[in-house]
Amino acid sequence: DTAVSQTPKYLVTQMGNDKSIKCEQNLGHDTMYWYKQDSKKFLKIMFSYNNKELIINETVPNRFSPKSPDKAHLNLHINSLELGDSAVYFCASSRTDGYYEQYFGPGTRLTVT
Amino acid sequence: DQQVKQNSPSLSVQEGRISILNCDYTNSMFDYFLWYKKYPAEGPTFLISISSIKDKNEDGRFTVFLNKSAKHLSLHIVPSQPGDSAVYFCALSTGTASKLTFGTGTRLQVTL
Repeated sequence: DTAVSQTPKYLVTQMGNDKSIKCEQNLGHDTMYWYKQDSKKFLKIMFSYNNKELIINETVPNRFSPKSPDKAHLNLHINSLELGDSAVYFCASSRTDGYYEQYFGPGTRLTVT
Repeated sequence: DQQVKQNSPSLSVQEGRISILNCDYTNSMFDYFLWYKKYPAEGPTFLISISSIKDKNEDGRFTVFLNKSAKHLSLHIVPSQPGDSAVYFCALSTGTASKLTFGTGTRLQVTL
């Protein structure tokens, strides 16, 4: 009964490839997020969706495209992968009715070679 | 331009003693403050939070203090336990369901 799940947990791929990371939450939350933790361990917001609509896009390259088929799912597709995309990507979710706490998935470690 | 800083990258505390983790911020628009704990290979786990209208919030062994004038946030853990060994992040928000701006993290090690 995992609250926020991500697949895959590890992803190793070559430069130039296209890959997707999937995220699902069973908390009944309306808002979902993608964060990136880089090699210096900084956690930074990338995108946020509320009820399938994009509400935050933090100057992320166009090669990154989030997709929310329904409010329980938020997937991240990355085109033409670059070495600098290597990082841990975390999905998170939250309520929108005055609650700020976000609940995170276990992360996907992406390694681009 | 790091808006949220945790100036101690690491902290070592003996079991049973108090752990104090600090967080400083520059943007006065932040109005909600959270602490997360992170174990290796896991996602951050929410610990405790405080809104800007309060200066203290307590939950069991964890207490968060907010000093708005100094733009300073701290987390006290007492007594510290070995299971508290993890990386602690402060995270700040400017609105409901808004993005969280994370601090740089402090690695806490609780020794026997």
